[in-house]
Amino acid sequence: QVQLVQSGAEVKKPGSSVKVSCKASGGTFSDYAISWVRQAPGQGLEWMGGIIPIFDTTNYAQKFQGRVTITADESTDTAYMKLSSLRSEDTAVYFCAKSLYYGSASTTYYYNYMDVWGKGTTVIVSS
Amino acid sequence: DIVMTQSPDSLAVSLGERATINCKSSRSLLYTSNNQNYLAWYQQKPGQPPRLLIYWASTRESGVPDRFSGSGSGTDFTLTISRLQAEDVAVYYCQQYYSTMYTFGQGTKLEIK
Repeated sequence: QVQLVQSGAEVKKPGSSVKVSCKASGGTFSDYAISWVRQAPGQGLEWMGGIIPIFDTTNYAQKFQGRVTITADESTDTAYMKLSSLRSEDTAVYFCAKSLYYGSASTTYYYNYMDVWGKGTTVIVSS
Repeated sequence: DIVMTQSPDSLAVSLGERATINCKSSRSLLYTSNNQNYLAWYQQKPGQPPRLLIYWASTRESGVPDRFSGSGSGTDFTLTISRLQAEDVAVYYCQQYYSTMYTFGQGTKLEIK
């Protein structure tokens, strides 16, 4: 059974960047996509974007375009989410989650439902 | 983006009774070529990540108790908990994966009456 282990909590200053990691174990990294979902305090779930590591293709929610970068390192089965130009509203718990994917490079790739989640990484943005 | 709207925002149900949560999407989630609805339900308890309960609108994830069921098609979906137990207290989210941009409903908080 695949497990996703995330990096530890971060405290950042406004205007800086944060990079959160998500290491997969117990499965074949190349078989699935990794998404990043965040949850502000007391709020709902918000999908930020995802990556299919084997193709190194990414997909970002429009809200985060230009400010988020999702990467993956197949040699260590680890995905990363970097969020730049941090502001107080980015204070949240950031989750990674895995899903299967389908589609092709000639059309587009789609992600399926998210069946395994990391425990979350708390990011606090404060001056 | 596809907008997902859940109702109600919160719900209080007695132990052993039925709980029903609705989810409406701004466009159909039914992919006609495979007759599948691209809709999932998640349960989230305080301090925990979401847990997948239901996918393809009505398929129960392995290990999920059979008191949880999903139904609906197109734009209207329902999560039903047939006999509420204390451990079912949580926030429930629907999510569409029909488009390349995932979107979630705002969540429904389920409590014991």
